[in-house]
Amino acid sequence: EIVLTQTPLSSAVTLGQPASISCRSSQSLLHSDGNTYLSWLQQRPGQPPRLLIYKSSNRFVGVPDRFSGSVAGTDFTLKISRVEADDVAVYYCMQATQYPYTFGQGTKLEIK
Amino acid sequence: QMQLVESGGGVVQPGSSLRLSCAASRFTFSNYGVHWVRQAPGKGLEWVAFIAFDGSNEYYADSVKGRFTVSRDNSKDTVYLQMNSLRRDDTAVYYCAKWLVRGGYMDVWGKGTTVIVSS
Repeated sequence: EIVLTQTPLSSAVTLGQPASISCRSSQSLLHSDGNTYLSWLQQRPGQPPRLLIYKSSNRFVGVPDRFSGSVAGTDFTLKISRVEADDVAVYYCMQATQYPYTFGQGTKLEIK
Repeated sequence: QMQLVESGGGVVQPGSSLRLSCAASRFTFSNYGVHWVRQAPGKGLEWVAFIAFDGSNEYYADSVKGRFTVSRDNSKDTVYLQMNSLRRDDTAVYYCAKWLVRGGYMDVWGKGTTVIVSS
């Protein structure tokens, strides 16, 4: 089973400042089809998860361009360029390269 | 707007069974696979099961293998999760999510249905 380790587990950021969340995979997420199936999801309080980023760095439709994803080997990063109040949520990375699909532990983002 | 609606949750005793439903609307349901993901109270997300668009493939988490079965009825635009031999640690909100295979992501999520396993 692929283990995804997120850091930090919580983060308090001032409005308008950037935020960064890391997700490290225990093994390569490169699929035999050449794609890397790492997604980032946002879960606001009391809401279901919402897709932000897919295949490491592709922003899903309707997601503000303040959100971006990047990858370096087995290290994945979600960045929010300027945090807004609406961004208060728990953020999860998820791999869909190999069954069983797995999630990171989640990172709680709060406003300082 | 594409929609998934889960139902069938409730309070059940350990060892009992429950069937969850996930009803789809406003998209061609029979073209897409569906995942089940759960979230225990105050915890993170856990992938549970998947069924392919035509029911030809199923995958399960080890924690539910042999106890849970996923199925679908494309004539009713509905996916089911049959849960047997329920345990206290199956207590969770259960979400279904539409799977876009070419993108490798879950793009539409339901609001979830709550299952509580307690004596």
